[in-house]
Amino acid sequence: NAGVIQTPRHKVTGKGQEATLWCEPISGHSAVFWYRQTIVQGLEFLTYFRNQAPIDDSGMPKERFSAQMPNQSHSTLKIQSTQPQDSAVYLCASSVWGGQDTQYFGPGTRLLVL
Amino acid sequence: GQQVQQSPASLVLQEGENAELQCNFSSTATQLQWFYQSPGGSLVSLLSNPSGTKHTGRLTSTTVTKERRSSLHISSSQTTDSGTYLCAIDNYNQGKLIFGQGTKLSIKP
Repeated sequence: NAGVIQTPRHKVTGKGQEATLWCEPISGHSAVFWYRQTIVQGLEFLTYFRNQAPIDDSGMPKERFSAQMPNQSHSTLKIQSTQPQDSAVYLCASSVWGGQDTQYFGPGTRLLVL
Repeated sequence: GQQVQQSPASLVLQEGENAELQCNFSSTATQLQWFYQSPGGSLVSLLSNPSGTKHTGRLTSTTVTKERRSSLHISSSQTTDSGTYLCAIDNYNQGKLIFGQGTKLSIKP
């Protein structure tokens, strides 16, 4: 079992550019979660899909951030017009069904916006 | 205020000593997970323990749901246990995890 795969592992982008982060959940898992980790804020929930349908996006910034899950094998997090404050480690996790299931995390994508 | 509070913020021990980490939460938790994160590393799930006591290897977690607290006990600590330990809860089976700020554990040889 390969675990949750995230690409790229590191991304450097200039202010105002777009960044797309990719996540491949564990095969057979129906739920995919996105989190963001910074030193100041810690780990924060962004959004959650189950069976490719958006369930909860209450943590997503209202502007510039969007997430999709076009098929059961991958999800993307897109940040438009990136700003320095978007610099963070973006973590993807998956679980069998969501709810009380144990979540398994990927290695994260470290985004640096200059 | 913070829904999940961990203490201590940091802990330094000698190899072989036992470590006790605390997690207190202000709302109902239908799920509670303990994670380990090495410096610059991934989050590794250690235990899922919404209630009662669970053991795995040198780790023991005890969660008292009514009192909204959980502990993680690491016995006979090793230098490789050094890193950050994070507690996370799920409210009312919503699915999303709410994390504490973590306890940074340093084990000296």
